[in-house]
Amino acid sequence: DTAVSQTPKYLVTQMGNDKSIKCEQNLGHDTMYWYKQDSKKFLKIMFSYNNKELIINETVPNRFSPKSPDKAHLNLHINSLELGDSAVYFCASSHWATRDEQYFGPGTRLTVT
Amino acid sequence: SQQGEEDPQALSIQEGENATMNCSYKTSINNLQWYRQNSGRGLVHLILIRSNEREKHSGRLRVTLDTSKKSSSLLITASRAADTASYFCATDGGNNNDMRFGAGTRLTVKP
Repeated sequence: DTAVSQTPKYLVTQMGNDKSIKCEQNLGHDTMYWYKQDSKKFLKIMFSYNNKELIINETVPNRFSPKSPDKAHLNLHINSLELGDSAVYFCASSHWATRDEQYFGPGTRLTVT
Repeated sequence: SQQGEEDPQALSIQEGENATMNCSYKTSINNLQWYRQNSGRGLVHLILIRSNEREKHSGRLRVTLDTSKKSSSLLITASRAADTASYFCATDGGNNNDMRFGAGTRLTVKP
């Protein structure tokens, strides 16, 4: 009965590779998000997406792209991985209209070597 | 860019004591939320306070909001060792529904 799930939990890969992180929510929410948490625990929004629009944080490199096959899924694709991409990535979801709490996934720890 | 800034960055107290964490933000907001993050886990929503509210309670949690000072505080009363975690404030101020998080306060409650 997991609300927001992410796979994989850990991802170790080399520079230059392309990887994907998957996210699924079973809460019936219409909006999903991707966040990046760096080693200093700063949590930064990367994308927010509902069935109407994708909002991209302008500081996110275009190597990062979200892909949503349906309302319950928002996957994160990363091309040409760099050392600085190492972080924990969190997926979250919420109701757009009520703008209330977001439900977070358990995170994916990405390590780029 | 970061919106909220939590203060202090780290707080260590004994079980049974109260813990107070503060959050300051820069722009106008619709609401402010507090989240908790246990080590290695995702964030869990604790409480939301809207811009027209000044104080809110939930169990041992008390949140205040002062929009004139652009600040909020989270009080945890009668702390327990299980309260050990990082606490983040997040503000929702825009039409794009983005939330801006602070860097968090690391709370350690010693048994």
